Amino acid sequence: QLVLTQSPSASASLGASVKLTCTLSSGHSGYAIAWHQQQPEKGPRYLIKLNADGSHIKGDGIPDRFSGSSSGAERYLTISSLQSEDEADYYCQTWGTGIVVFGGGTKLTVL
Amino acid sequence: QVQLVESGGGVVQPGRSLRLSCGVSGFSFPNYGMNWVRQAPGKGLEWVAVIWNDGSNEYYADSVRGRFTISRDNSNNTLYLQMNGLRAEDTAVYYCARGQLESFDYWGQGTLVTVSS
Repeated sequence: QLVLTQSPSASASLGASVKLTCTLSSGHSGYAIAWHQQQPEKGPRYLIKLNADGSHIKGDGIPDRFSGSSSGAERYLTISSLQSEDEADYYCQTWGTGIVVFGGGTKLTVL
Repeated sequence: QVQLVESGGGVVQPGRSLRLSCGVSGFSFPNYGMNWVRQAPGKGLEWVAVIWNDGSNEYYADSVRGRFTISRDNSNNTLYLQMNGLRAEDTAVYYCARGQLESFDYWGQGTLVTVSS
């Protein structure tokens, strides 16, 4: 079964960096994923698509502070030089034949 | 620029029907698959359905299969979600998003559906 696992919460200080993790279920380590940001009271915004080999495609206008990487079944989103507006929920998304799956989301708090 | 605008949400009684619309602009609608995604109050994102760019294929989440129908009008750049037999657990903000079993690269702002007697 295709499942994405995320930690429910993360925190980091203003100006620091944070690395969020999304883990693919067993047998699905070759899948690509996408990261989406959802600021409070807003719709989601596409950030980046990550392939298993680490190659990626960013969304329009996404700052260089957002980057992605991959290792095995793990897909990472790194946000550097944290700003207050980065405080948001972050969801990973993947897809298979006839199905789309979201992770449970990580709530990022900027201290 | 790319815009997706949902409409049609509201308060509806259990068992009744509602149709949501998503009007798009800024890209060639017939070239892209489209999705509905929902978010219950205080919860995460849940994929609902996808329709192929030409309408030839549809897939649904188990939670809505048999009750919801996704469709599109490529001549009017509009995506639809017909929701029948609504339940309290269908209460959510409904988003349309662009993508055909791929990363969703554009999202709308959502429309709220409340199922309550």
